[in-house]
Amino acid sequence: AQSVTQLDSQVPVFEEAPVELRCNYSSSVSVYLFWYVQYPNQGLQLLLKYLSGSTLVKGINGFEAEFNKSQTSFHLRKPSVHISDTAEYFCAVRPSGNTPLVFGKGTRLSVIA
Amino acid sequence: GAGVSQSPSNKVTEKGKDVELRCDPISGHTALYWYRQSLGQGLEFLIYFQGNSAPDKSGLPSDRFSAERTGGSVSTLTIQRTQQEDSAVYLCASSSLRGRDSEQFFGPGTRLTVL
Repeated sequence: AQSVTQLDSQVPVFEEAPVELRCNYSSSVSVYLFWYVQYPNQGLQLLLKYLSGSTLVKGINGFEAEFNKSQTSFHLRKPSVHISDTAEYFCAVRPSGNTPLVFGKGTRLSVIA
Repeated sequence: GAGVSQSPSNKVTEKGKDVELRCDPISGHTALYWYRQSLGQGLEFLIYFQGNSAPDKSGLPSDRFSAERTGGSVSTLTIQRTQQEDSAVYLCASSSLRGRDSEQFFGPGTRLTVL
């Protein structure tokens, strides 16, 4: 069975600083990888996804993630964060097209002015 | 509508009562998922409907939980004899049947509070 570990439950960072949110997964099969963002009192929104091809994936709002198969990681990065990036970020995996997602427990990013 | 909608947005109930939560998926989406988001547990899969196939109920935490999907569209999640540990945000998602690129679109959720 797949599992997802988000190593940091909370990450405070100053505005305009870079940030990395870590995600590791375990799976015996190839998986598709996702990052979702949840702004306060809102639903989940897809940030980016890795299905195949280039291991560096670019998403919305200036975020990117790199798939590393040997380290089973899919860390999310942004070179310069804004106050508006304050939200909860979830890493997720799924083994094939229409199957349920397996989520990590989330990382709360707090951007400090 | 343009997105997945859920109702009610908030539900407060007393322990032991039954509740029904509704999900309207995006029109034309054949796959529908229910997840639960609770403190300390993160997001957990509950049940999954795909087309006319039998639903995958493997994530339901107990037999007090059930769900149905009528006419391949609207879905209702029912929790019988609610307990305080059922308090959570219940999220619904839908996707089209298009293989690996089938993104799941999430609704805003129903926040359930069991007193």
